[in-house]
Amino acid sequence: EAGVAQSPRYKIIEKRQSVAFWCNPISGHATLYWYQQILGQGPKLLIQFQNNGVVDDSQLPKDRFSAERLKGVDSTLKIQPAKLEDSAVYLCASSTPAGGPWGHTDTQYFGPGTRLTVL
Amino acid sequence: KNQVEQSPQSLIILEGKNCTLQCNYTVSPFSNLRWYKQDTGRGPVSLTIMTFSENTKSNGRYTATLDADTKQSSLHITASQLSDSASYICVVSAYGNNRLAFGKGNQVVVIP
Repeated sequence: EAGVAQSPRYKIIEKRQSVAFWCNPISGHATLYWYQQILGQGPKLLIQFQNNGVVDDSQLPKDRFSAERLKGVDSTLKIQPAKLEDSAVYLCASSTPAGGPWGHTDTQYFGPGTRLTVL
Repeated sequence: KNQVEQSPQSLIILEGKNCTLQCNYTVSPFSNLRWYKQDTGRGPVSLTIMTFSENTKSNGRYTATLDADTKQSSLHITASQLSDSASYICVVSAYGNNRLAFGKGNQVVVIP
């Protein structure tokens, strides 16, 4: 089974420039997540999609970050304009919908991430 | 305050030795707890998942424990190998939603 694919793997830009990341989840996974992981920290959820609808974007800085999943499969995350503090690894993850006898959360499968450096 | 606290932040161990990583959480109502391994430059990979009724679960040389009463979990690595060098992240899920609470990770370095 192919894993979560992300591109590019690395990106270096100057502040105030724009950047976009792409994610292709595991086939059949309806739920897709974008996380920001700053060095030395755990991942922080930016946005969660269920198919092509947004479930949770409460921690997404909407003045500069946007994400879409138009056909319920691939997703893109955009930053415009970038700031120095946006330097981080951006992880995409996918899972099947939550369910099970205890409201079980299904395992999230992570992609390799995109390392963004803003100069 | 972070809902998931891990300790130690980092440790260095000799190849072949054992180590134990700790995770304390305040997430409620509790659904499950996962330990993820994140190699440098890679995304996290799930090692184990613990539900409320499980106390111990093993995955090869990794053994996770859970005490839901004290809201503590540990990950024990037996006979460490160089490939165990990674960040180990404790992730806790609340009942009824898909939002995860991540710890900052335990950075483990295994030296020969």
